[in-house]
Amino acid sequence: QSVLTQPPSVSGAPGQRVTISCTGSSSDIGARYDVHWYQQLPGAAPKLLIYANSNRPSGVPDRFSGFKFATSASLAISGLQADDEADYYCQSYDSSLSARIFGGGTKLTVL
Amino acid sequence: QVQLQESGPGLVKPSETLSLTCTVSGYSISSDFYWGWIRQPPGKGLEWIGLIHHGGNTYYNPSLKSRVTMSVDTSKNQFSLRLSSVTAADTAMYYCARDRGEFYMDVWGKGTTVTVSS
Repeated sequence: QSVLTQPPSVSGAPGQRVTISCTGSSSDIGARYDVHWYQQLPGAAPKLLIYANSNRPSGVPDRFSGFKFATSASLAISGLQADDEADYYCQSYDSSLSARIFGGGTKLTVL
Repeated sequence: QVQLQESGPGLVKPSETLSLTCTVSGYSISSDFYWGWIRQPPGKGLEWIGLIHHGGNTYYNPSLKSRVTMSVDTSKNQFSLRLSSVTAADTAMYYCARDRGEFYMDVWGKGTTVTVSS
């Protein structure tokens, strides 16, 4: 069972905007630890998509944006494209476990 | 360009020890940052295993801590994972990654599949 909670799946049509939520607790996101997001394309390794809540590494399009508030975070993807179809994982740090923790992952389907 | 490559046996027998090595190119592991391992069972999500600093400090997932050992070989620019007493539940894709020390991983290897079976 993952410490961070994500919806198992989301979907949207090309061009639309979707959001993926990530809910934590007072010992991780709520303890002011940053949230990071990874994209895992089919058959590939995860790739850093957003770090420190809202920052994009070089090369990541500005269609991807992240937000953090209280004990939750969200990833927004605008202008959906077919090649955005992937699994998305949020990640943070849990002070009670002294461990990096992941959400269970959300499968994005582009209709 | 920083690249990481996992290597090791793809098949391990139950109760034995899983051993993997991650070779880093394009960056000296002695320079900075931490170096970690993450795994993903078939069809499931990501699980953080632990990480190591080139100075030798280690940090392990409490759920695996009793079975995990990590080490670093700066002369070869490699770091390694050993997981003892494996069972079928340890069957997974194993990834190595660079950890920024700010609790996120910015560069990942392509992963290596490990199956635990007799």
